[in-house]
Amino acid sequence: GESVGLHLPTLSVQEGDNSIINCAYSNSASDYFIWYKQESGKGPQFIIDIRSNMDKRQGQRVTVLLNKTVKHLSLQIAATQPGDSAVYFCAEARSGSARQLTFGSGTQLTVLP
Amino acid sequence: NAGVTQTPKFQVLKTGQSMTLQCAQDMNHEYMSWYRQDPGMGLRLIHYSVGAGITDQGEVPNGYNVSRSTTEDFPLRLLSAAPSQTSVYFCASSYGAVGTDTQYFGPGTRLTVL
Repeated sequence: GESVGLHLPTLSVQEGDNSIINCAYSNSASDYFIWYKQESGKGPQFIIDIRSNMDKRQGQRVTVLLNKTVKHLSLQIAATQPGDSAVYFCAEARSGSARQLTFGSGTQLTVLP
Repeated sequence: NAGVTQTPKFQVLKTGQSMTLQCAQDMNHEYMSWYRQDPGMGLRLIHYSVGAGITDQGEVPNGYNVSRSTTEDFPLRLLSAAPSQTSVYFCASSYGAVGTDTQYFGPGTRLTVL
């Protein structure tokens, strides 16, 4: 069946280091991918998105990489800060779909002082 | 703008009781959705709406009803609560379909069914 999954359920990094969070997807029809950040007790917050016609997209301290060949995307956070500690979800969809998004199970990122 | 608001924040029900989770947005968004999030899992789509008067089922619709009488409001009704419906419920809205606009999430309602 269709699924979006994450390689690692938890990730701990030292403050100031770079973080890499990975995600695999299996729906070949998906052409739109999003990363969300969810802090404890809050709803998901949009971080960055990427379409299937791109391999890389950069935002402020974040970069998303998409490898369509192996159906894999990653979120890179530069100079990780304590405020980055949260659960990160990838989500996928077909662009223009009214059915909204299919989410992965999430990775808990912990930033160590 | 208040964004997406949800009430209540917490709710405890007994098996068989019914209730309505409220969701409202003041951004004039056409698209609204309800998701549930179980421990250690991602969000799963329950129902969604592409505009007032139009609703459709998502991935896990059983046991839930929705209606969309106005653009602003999208309530989720639990017909007869079951322990399996214990979860955190998130409402989301966007101006356009997936890929055309960012989806904004509310703060969530934590529901426990005893």
